[in-house]
Amino acid sequence: DTEVTQTPKHLVMGMTNKKSLKCEQHMGHRAMYWYKQKAKKPPELMFVYSYEKLSINESVPSRFSPECPNSSLLNLHLHALQPEDSALYLCASSRAAGELFFGSGTQLSVL
Amino acid sequence: AQTVTQSQPEMSVQEAETVTLSCTYDTSESDYYLFWYKQPPSRQMILVIRQEAYKQQNATENRFSVNFQKAAKSFSLKISDSQLGDAAMYFCAYRSLGGATNKLIFGTGTLLAVQP
Repeated sequence: DTEVTQTPKHLVMGMTNKKSLKCEQHMGHRAMYWYKQKAKKPPELMFVYSYEKLSINESVPSRFSPECPNSSLLNLHLHALQPEDSALYLCASSRAAGELFFGSGTQLSVL
Repeated sequence: AQTVTQSQPEMSVQEAETVTLSCTYDTSESDYYLFWYKQPPSRQMILVIRQEAYKQQNATENRFSVNFQKAAKSFSLKISDSQLGDAAMYFCAYRSLGGATNKLIFGTGTLLAVQP
């Protein structure tokens, strides 16, 4: 299994809602990542988990809260988002070296 | 800090022709990985090809090949016999060797159109 699975594929939420994005991989990778991507731009790193511990937080606003319940799962909890947070959210996983494997993303719209 | 530069925001190629996408990077490291990722309209990020810096031989995957010039810090992607399905945004990316949390550093991307 070389897939990273993200749910949901699409999400529309109001600025007062609380929602969560989910990501799962079964490749035994111990590093997992959240990226944010605007249209026609490269992905921007948000968070990195290594061995289920948060190792990088790229100064992301606290309305985004990551969680790594176990080595296969990664969540991104969303609360009080702004319209400018509308974007494609990509999850990825990797071994210590080599390429990142990406999920198909969650397209988020904040109204 | 490492940087990746893609100087061609958009490119166009005729079906069945060959096109080369450019990428340069800056690093003080001697060992690292370089990648080309493809992102079609579905927005799935797909690995096209990878190159380990310690390997002198250029990587090849079917119709895709790279020209890796380590001294010049250049890593171009050649697509031969272009197909309509090759139309996508192509990102060049750099990753340091070792360390699970080493970031993947992306270039700004090249949007490739394939004309029938």
